[in-house]
Amino acid sequence: DTGVSQDPRHKITKRGQNVTFRCDPISEHNRLYWYRQTLGQGPEFLTYFQNEAQLEKSRLLSDRFSAERPKGSFSTLEIQRTEQGDSAMYLCASSPSLGQDNEKLFFGSGTQLSVL
Amino acid sequence: ELKVEQNPLFLSMQEGKNYTIYCNYSTTSDRLYWYRQDPGKSLESLFVLLSNGAVKQEGRLMASLDTKARLSTLHITAAVHDLSATYFCAGTQGGSEKLVFGKGTKLTVNP
Repeated sequence: DTGVSQDPRHKITKRGQNVTFRCDPISEHNRLYWYRQTLGQGPEFLTYFQNEAQLEKSRLLSDRFSAERPKGSFSTLEIQRTEQGDSAMYLCASSPSLGQDNEKLFFGSGTQLSVL
Repeated sequence: ELKVEQNPLFLSMQEGKNYTIYCNYSTTSDRLYWYRQDPGKSLESLFVLLSNGAVKQEGRLMASLDTKARLSTLHITAAVHDLSATYFCAGTQGGSEKLVFGKGTKLTVNP
């Protein structure tokens, strides 16, 4: 499967714990995005990388959230001191800069986070 | 700041019927996207509309864009059960890579 891969698929944690999610984009896609989706809502933008550079960050991304893409390939999203309001589906997407698909975002299956 | 509104939010229709989902956006949008999401699954890209008057079709779905009216439509022709899903429109603004999504339209096609 050459799609966007996210790990884990599900994560249950207790309030106050730290969690980290991983995203492996489609090979050679240099753009990578993180979104968050709650039930009954559309996805909300969190952050965007071009290669290893984090070029856009939403105001939603509080100090407790940090994202990295150290070598311009996979990315991690860490949430520190989780709160119940962080419970959501965290979606990763990737896109190429060039080619006929360069306007499309390809989404992964997401990581469902439940904070108890 | 760009805001995207879809209507209706819920749509129940019979197989074989036609219907249109509307997507209004508040300010100039560079690109307009339509996505499909099945329950518990991720988003599947349907269409990307880049310019005024753009029309794209895939099977029973046709999307159009009117930038002057700040309106995109997703038209469903002769609906079938397999089209049951939630459909999202999303726009971008001002050269940003951020997609702003609407709340989605949950479509149920009944036999």
